[in-house]
Formats: sequence, C-alpha cells, structure tokens
Amino acid sequence: AQSVTQLGSHVSVSEGALVLLRCNYSSSVPPYLFWYVQYPNQGLQLLLKYTSAATLVKGINGFEAEFKKSETSFHLTKPSAHMSDAAEYFCAVSDISDSWGKLQFGAGTQVVVTP
Amino acid sequence: DTEVTQTPKHLVMGMTNKKSLKCEQHMGHRAMYWYKQKAKKPPELMFVYSYEKLSINESVPSRFSPECPNSSLLNLHLHALQPEDSALYLCASRPGLQGNEQFFGPGTRLTVL
Repeated sequence: AQSVTQLGSHVSVSEGALVLLRCNYSSSVPPYLFWYVQYPNQGLQLLLKYTSAATLVKGINGFEAEFKKSETSFHLTKPSAHMSDAAEYFCAVSDISDSWGKLQFGAGTQVVVTP
Repeated sequence: DTEVTQTPKHLVMGMTNKKSLKCEQHMGHRAMYWYKQKAKKPPELMFVYSYEKLSINESVPSRFSPECPNSSLLNLHLHALQPEDSALYLCASRPGLQGNEQFFGPGTRLTVL
C-alpha cells in the first residue's frame, strides 16, 4: 500500500527565511502528488500538485515543489517565510490507477513563523 | 461558484441525539467525500460517492449514515454517537478525471457530550 512520510512534525522558521518541508512517497510507480495547507479551524486548501508534467511545480502564495523520482520525494519550499504561512501542511498522494482519487495523507508538518 | 460549503459550522450533540451534516458544491463535480479529522492528525477517509452512488465505505460504524440526494448535495446523518466521535468533519469534491485535486469545505466541528 502507498505510504507518505513527512519528515518533521514541527518546523520553526524565522520570518524571511527559507521554508523547506519534506515529503517522501513509497510507491515504485510515481503517484499524483499534492501539498495542502490547513489554517486553524479551517478546511484544506490546495497549494500545488504534480501530475506527471513539469517536475518543478509552482503553487499559490509563493510556494513551489520539485518532484524527484530517483529520491521518491516531493519537497515543498518557499524562499521567504511570511507570518501568514503559519499553518499545518499535508503532503498527499493518489495512485494513478485509483479511479476514486483516494488521497493518502502524510502525518502533517506544523509550521511556526517567528518574527 | 468554486467552493464547497458545509453546514453547520459547529455542532454539539448528546449521545442520544440525531443530527445531520450538510455539504454542497455547485462545480459539477461527480465525486464527493467525507473525512473525519482529529486534532493534530491528517484527515481520515470515511466515504466516497461517485455519480451519487456510494462507492467506498471505509468500515465506518453504522451510527454514521451518508446520503447523496443529488449531484450537488451530500449529507452525513449522525445517530447515537460516542464522545470519541468528536472531531472536525470535512467534505470534499473532485472532478471525475484522474489526477485532479479534491476541493475541501471548511468543515463542521462536532462535539459529542
């Protein structure tokens, strides 16, 4: 079964510093890959997705992610953190053969931004 | 209209109550999902509806009863819940094509007393 690993349940970054959130998947066949953000007491909002097109994917709010097949990774970055980036971030995968589009989520990474 | 709406935003119920959660989308999506999310955890899939038919039930207890009256509306009927069912309940929808993301609603915060 597919699994997703997010390294680091809690990340603290200074305002203006690089944000790097790590995500690795387990399948030998590259899945569809997604990053979602969740602000407190809200639903999930899609930041970006990879569906076998360009390996460098740009998303909303200045985030981008790079798909690396050799490393089975899809790490999320933002060059300069803003206070509004404080939230929970989930990496998710969906098997390309799954017609229901079921998502397997990582455990999540809580991002704290300090002034 | 590019959003998923959920009502109510908050719900407090006793263990003997019957209540319902509602989810609506007008994006023409034919797949709809219910998730349960506990604090500090990722969402857990409960049900998947495809073209208004229940396609997946992830072994959810029968005290949760989903319903899809039409292509825009998804309900979750609750009866005889337990305190451990307290959670954020999220609804999502997705276009039918593979590779497309799920669009999530804001959720209903449920507290069972």
